[in-house]
Amino acid sequence: AAGVIQSPRHLIKEKRETATLKCYPIPRHDTVYWYQQGPGQDPQFLISFYEKMQSDKGSIPDRFSAQQFSDYHSELNMSSLELGDSALYFCASSPGLNTGELFFGEGSRLTVL
Amino acid sequence: KNEVEQSPQNLTAQEGEFITINCSYSVGISALHWLQQHPGGGIVSLFMLSSGKKKHGRLIATINIQEKHSSLHITASHPRDSAVYICAVSNSNSGYALNFGKGTSLLVTP
Repeated sequence: AAGVIQSPRHLIKEKRETATLKCYPIPRHDTVYWYQQGPGQDPQFLISFYEKMQSDKGSIPDRFSAQQFSDYHSELNMSSLELGDSALYFCASSPGLNTGELFFGEGSRLTVL
Repeated sequence: KNEVEQSPQNLTAQEGEFITINCSYSVGISALHWLQQHPGGGIVSLFMLSSGKKKHGRLIATINIQEKHSSLHITASHPRDSAVYICAVSNSNSGYALNFGKGTSLLVTP
């Protein structure tokens, strides 16, 4: 069965560069969540989308932006990268808000040098 | 913010033992999730609960809404169960985004 696909799986950037992470939800899932997990930390909610509209916003820095496209995939854009942005970025999808179990991608590991 | 507390933080068990991990939260929720995370990253959703009890193989999850408490039980534990188990809650006030506990690191030895 198709799972949540995240790309790239690994990404190395330098400070002040930009990065874009992509998330392809399970087919027919219209809800996407982005989470950031720093080294040794529990995941923190960044932002979510439902039916291509922003649903909620968590601790997402102003340097980051995200959107959900017509095919329901989502992209997280990160600019002016800082060392502290190094983390594992998870995407999760579900078939609607609070209507089913969450399915997580494998994560994209960003390292900022 | 919903405070999610898990116990124990670390747990070592011998293969075959019955394991219980506890989770309590401070504010009413829409759902509670038990997640498993192996070293290297990937998160797998084990259960989503809003009431009662669910069972999947050797895993059992229960929730008591009145007491704001949930437990994850692993019967006949096996070394492949070694992972971090995370309790996370969602609420309509936060758009159903998950608020995570700190996780319980489980090591099952042969």
